[in-house]
Amino acid sequence: GESVGLHLPTLSVQEGDNSIINCAYSNSASDYFIWYKQESGKGPQFIIDIRSNMDKRQGQRVTVLLNKTVKHLSLQIAATQPGDSAVYFCAENFGNEKLTFGTGTRLTIIP
Amino acid sequence: DAGITQSPRHKVTETGTPVTLRCHQTENHRYMYWYRQDPGHGLRLIHYSYGVKDTDKGEVSDGYSVSRSKTEDFLLTLESATSSQTSVYFCAIWTGTNTEAFFGQGTRLTV
Repeated sequence: GESVGLHLPTLSVQEGDNSIINCAYSNSASDYFIWYKQESGKGPQFIIDIRSNMDKRQGQRVTVLLNKTVKHLSLQIAATQPGDSAVYFCAENFGNEKLTFGTGTRLTIIP
Repeated sequence: DAGITQSPRHKVTETGTPVTLRCHQTENHRYMYWYRQDPGHGLRLIHYSYGVKDTDKGEVSDGYSVSRSKTEDFLLTLESATSSQTSVYFCAIWTGTNTEAFFGQGTRLTV
């Protein structure tokens, strides 16, 4: 079936460096994508979203890139901080009432 | 937490017993969801609701039932709990496509 997956289950980054978390999706009909951050013991929290008619969207210290040709999504976090340590999920929607999630990438910031 | 409350936050139960988890929202959103989160699987959709008394199955619905008698409440019932249902359960609310979904804090269930 259709699925959303992540290339790397874990990622360790030095504090102050930039992080890139990748996500592959398989449903070419998906038209809306969201990145969530989940800290230990908490529910997922919205970071940034992007629609399929866009290639890039920027937020505060975060940028999401969408490459529809290869069905790839990435989340870039600039100047990572200890508070960025968490599990990051991408989710996709293809015009119905459901969000499909990937398995998540654990980001660890090294002091 | 976008007006979502899950109860209980923690539950330990025995195999074969029924269990009901409650999700309460104050946002009057149409769509409500129950996900389970397990290591290596990310968030998987159990059931969702698109209105009062309107529900549908997700990808892992076996062994679960739901009810929505009021807009603000979405109940998840494990009819006869099994050890495979040990998980963290998250409720989410959503206004629809091209908007973010909001998650509750989760319920940790041990069977």
